Amino acid sequence: DTGVSQNPRHKITKRGQNVTFRCDPISEHNRLYWYRQTLGQGPEFLTYFQNEAQLEKSRLLSDRFSAERPKGSFSTLEIQRTEQGDSAMYLCASSSTKGVGETQYFGPGTRLLVL
Amino acid sequence: AQTVTQSQPEMSVQEAETVTLSCTYDTSESDYYLFWYKQPPSRQMILVIRQEAYKQQNATENRFSVNFQKAAKSFSLKISDSQLGDAAMYFCAACFNSGYALNFGKGTSLLVTP
Repeated sequence: DTGVSQNPRHKITKRGQNVTFRCDPISEHNRLYWYRQTLGQGPEFLTYFQNEAQLEKSRLLSDRFSAERPKGSFSTLEIQRTEQGDSAMYLCASSSTKGVGETQYFGPGTRLLVL
Repeated sequence: AQTVTQSQPEMSVQEAETVTLSCTYDTSESDYYLFWYKQPPSRQMILVIRQEAYKQQNATENRFSVNFQKAAKSFSLKISDSQLGDAAMYFCAACFNSGYALNFGKGTSLLVTP
């Protein structure tokens, strides 16, 4: 069990560019979550997958954001036409599917800076 | 609205002493799950302790224990025999039965002094 991994760990981009982040969950976990954390705040939920199905999306996930989880394994989060307000830490977490309230295990995050 | 509130932005404790971090939440649901996560500087978030709302017994994990007061909607974390490695941001979080997302508080920064 190698834990949740995320790549890249850091990303600097210019406003208007597209960026894509990858998350590899713990291998036996069917649920995968994306959160966004800005400075001085707790993480805020963006979206979650059960296997390959995206089951819930937050209002924070604007049209410029898209997430996928092909084949129910790794997931990608893409931000199109980045804005300075997108600068944040993007966290991925995974959990088993025993039910609601299962412990979510977090990755190290991808820190995005939009110039 | 379902919210989680941490009213202490910063706390300080001396090594070997005990500190309590506060958390309150608001929900109309009767069944939910509560968590404390620790986020060391520039490191990933790790679970400290988990509590199911239907269980009256307070969860404990080595030096970490909670005081869960369901009627008061309070979920505080007690760290005993504090160590330098306990210095981190601590987040209280809740998962309500209406969804799978974690709702986080703003966090409490814990400083441990020698």
